[in-house]
Amino acid sequence: DSGVTQTPKHLITATGQRVTLRCSPRSGDLSVYWYQQSLDQGLQFLIHYYNGEERAKGNILERFSAQQFPDLHSELNLSSLELGDSALYFCASSVEWGPNTGELFFGEGSRLTVL
Amino acid sequence: AQKITQTQPGMFVQEKEAVTLDCTYDTSDPSYGLFWYKQPSSGEMIFLIYQGSYDQQNATEGRYSLNFQKARKSANLVISASQLGDSAMYFCAMREGFMNTGFQKLVFGTGTRLLVSP
Repeated sequence: DSGVTQTPKHLITATGQRVTLRCSPRSGDLSVYWYQQSLDQGLQFLIHYYNGEERAKGNILERFSAQQFPDLHSELNLSSLELGDSALYFCASSVEWGPNTGELFFGEGSRLTVL
Repeated sequence: AQKITQTQPGMFVQEKEAVTLDCTYDTSDPSYGLFWYKQPSSGEMIFLIYQGSYDQQNATEGRYSLNFQKARKSANLVISASQLGDSAMYFCAMREGFMNTGFQKLVFGTGTRLLVSP
């Protein structure tokens, strides 16, 4: 158990719909990262939040948005869903300050299927 | 150019044998970190081992060791005494800018699928 919690684990929805994926980082971790893993694109970095602030964006579509709340949990919102959005969405957290080796600890992922 | 290259799409090994999974990387940053993750069929990403670019010794974690050859920019994962439960996808990843703690994105390779046979 990595200590990172993601919900839901599985989600099936239709094209055009909107879903919200939730992530609770490990206790004490201030950073949350979102990654998308699809069959044809591999693991792609989407977005990074640190202590509530957006730090960096990767290959994130405009239809997607995220935020990190004061209690440090994060949500990834996916709207106007398309078939190609079907993927495994990972949240990862890390400690950024102090003596650390920079590991990212991943949650179990949320598997999204768009029909 | 690919930041992380894993040239072995699949590897086979017999139980109790050792296996090496290859990883080469590309960076001009003197400070970076190298990681290996295991992804079993259930989907979770499991952290295995880490090597910092300034580390003098190769990292080891139980049956896992990282063969770090800095001049060749390679960071191969060695699994000793393979077990059936080692069958999974293995990803090599790199984080640049080790001293810049403002942003720690990992870039992943395409993975190597390891199958351990009895």
